Amino acid sequence: TQLLEQSPQFLSIQEGENLTVYCNSSSVFSSLQWYRQEPGEGPVLLVTVVTGGEVKKLKRLTFQFGDARKDSSLHITAAQPGDTGLYLCAPFQGAQKLVFGQGTRLTINP
Amino acid sequence: DVKVTQSSRYLVKRTGEKVFLECVQDMDHENMFWYRQDPGLGLRLIYFSYDVKMKEKGDIPEGYSVSREKKERFSLILESASTNQTSMYLCASTLTPGGTYEQYFGPGTRLTVT
Repeated sequence: TQLLEQSPQFLSIQEGENLTVYCNSSSVFSSLQWYRQEPGEGPVLLVTVVTGGEVKKLKRLTFQFGDARKDSSLHITAAQPGDTGLYLCAPFQGAQKLVFGQGTRLTINP
Repeated sequence: DVKVTQSSRYLVKRTGEKVFLECVQDMDHENMFWYRQDPGLGLRLIYFSYDVKMKEKGDIPEGYSVSREKKERFSLILESASTNQTSMYLCASTLTPGGTYEQYFGPGTRLTVT
């Protein structure tokens, strides 16, 4: 069983600040997805990273896949209240399944 | 626009009752999944199905069963509900094979067993 850890578990910052959340494992992944879940809703896909060292940008969000494909990070620039939510990383486990981390609950205060 | 719907947003049941959670997707997706979500534990896979009448156990199948009689519908059954099955239940579907493995989720059913 692979160990998947997201950090921090909780993060509360002021609007306009920058932040980084992390997803780490002891296993190598073929690909990894990041989802955001807002209260009362199911998770929604933000990005898929496939290649070691890959960087993808989605407006103010920057996603990076580690060179060894064991870890990933999400950096948000100039956070806004609309970024509030639960951020989940989900490496591809094979056999058409994903495994989800426990998530980082992010709160952006106006 | 893709859509996954779940039969109830909130459900309260008594211990020992048989509970049915329904999930319907309108995207002609091959694969469907049932997860439960608990604080600090993330999403844990209960069962998944990659075709009609096909099912496979996930990480925590004990106390649950599933049914997939039609491609668009995947049901989760709690044969005899217990208080430790109080949780948020999320259904998802995905297009694979040949897709990106993006999972489309329903809004969830918050089940309370008393």
